[in-house]
Amino acid sequence: NAGVTQTPKFRVLKTGQSMTLLCAQDMNHEYMYWYRQDPGMGLRLIHYSVGEGTTAKGEVPDGYNVSRLKKQNFLLGLESAAPSQTSVYFCASSYGTGVGEKLFFGSGTQLSVL
Amino acid sequence: SQKIEQNSEALNIQEGKTATLTCNYTNYSPAYLQWYRQDPGRGPVFLLLIRENEKEKRKERLKVTFDTTLKQSLFHITASQPADSATYLCALSISNFGNEKLTFGTGTRLTIIP
Repeated sequence: NAGVTQTPKFRVLKTGQSMTLLCAQDMNHEYMYWYRQDPGMGLRLIHYSVGEGTTAKGEVPDGYNVSRLKKQNFLLGLESAAPSQTSVYFCASSYGTGVGEKLFFGSGTQLSVL
Repeated sequence: SQKIEQNSEALNIQEGKTATLTCNYTNYSPAYLQWYRQDPGRGPVFLLLIRENEKEKRKERLKVTFDTTLKQSLFHITASQPADSATYLCALSISNFGNEKLTFGTGTRLTIIP
């Protein structure tokens, strides 16, 4: 019962470098989300997907891109990393998005951009 | 603008006592409210959900109340144990929207002192 798995767990980038964070879920959930968590701020939604092949912008999408080529995977890309993107990134999934659909979170990726 | 506040950044409670955490909101008409637990280095884990037309929900030693007049939710842990030490997050979703409109508070770090 892996649930939601994120890779990598830690990463250090230099400004301008690119990287991709991978999220995989084995619960056959339709909905997947990428959040960032910063000190003193709540979790903020970056992008989300309501199904395979779909993506949509969340609250803070600038500087990020996403793809959902397979139902079980949701990738978050940083094309040109900036120090402001230093954060802890969480992937989450849910069966649906209606009232009462709880989120299942991964363990997070700690990203530092120097 | 919409705002969620969790009563304090940190709360210390003696083992065996009841811990009460507060989630206040302004400029919202939430359809439901969720509570999550987050341990250091881990993703949030869903605990309870309460809908706008419900006043109280219970699960084992946990109790959540929702007062739409006061714009407040209270989260209680009775007979607290050191294992209850964690950060607790509240999250609200406004009417007619699902998890893509879920807004998280900054969390309260609870420490249960033996």
